[in-house]
Amino acid sequence: EIVLTQSPGTLSLSPGERATLSCRASQSVSSSYLAWYQQKPGQAPRLLIYGASSRATGIPDRFSGSGSGTDFTLTISRLEPEDFAVYYCQQYGSSLMYTFGQGTKLEIK
Amino acid sequence: QVQLVQSGAEVKKPGASVKVSCKASGYTFTSYYMHWVRQAPGQGLEWMGIINPSGGSTSYAQKFQGRVTMTRDTSTSTVYMELSSLRSEDTAVYYCARVMGIQQDGAFDIWGQGTMVTVSS
Repeated sequence: EIVLTQSPGTLSLSPGERATLSCRASQSVSSSYLAWYQQKPGQAPRLLIYGASSRATGIPDRFSGSGSGTDFTLTISRLEPEDFAVYYCQQYGSSLMYTFGQGTKLEIK
Repeated sequence: QVQLVQSGAEVKKPGASVKVSCKASGYTFTSYYMHWVRQAPGQGLEWMGIINPSGGSTSYAQKFQGRVTMTRDTSTSTVYMELSSLRSEDTAVYYCARVMGIQQDGAFDIWGQGTMVTVSS
């Protein structure tokens, strides 16, 4: 089973700043089958990034994903007030295992 | 529009079973795999399993093997997740989520609103 470890656990930043979230896999993630989700309190997760770097429909271009193999990054170029939430990475397609990272909470400083 | 609408909140006693439904609309139901994911209060996301709405084949996370059953009804475009032998640790919000694209492996692009299941004596 692939284990995903996200860091930091909590990130405190101000609107307008740049956010960099990390997701490290215990073994290589095949074909960059890595996704990022945003979740706000009381809501279902929302897909932001798939295939490590492709933005989902309707996602603003301030969100970008990068990485391959075992190291992946979600970058939010200029934080908007609505971006403060919990972010999860997920790997999919590895022997029918679809594991999630433990999440990074992005909070207002 | 494409959407998944889940059944309402449930309260169950330990040892009982719960069956949660997820009704799809706005797309061809049998063309997209569906997953179930749960989230305990204040915790992260946990994958439970996948069902192919076309043929009904399933695959479950090892943790839930023997306790979970996923089924579908193509006449109503609905998938179901039944969890048996409930214990307090099963208290969580349960989500259905559609796979993006027609292949089995893909990110989850559409999510249901979630169903809160509370297990308490």
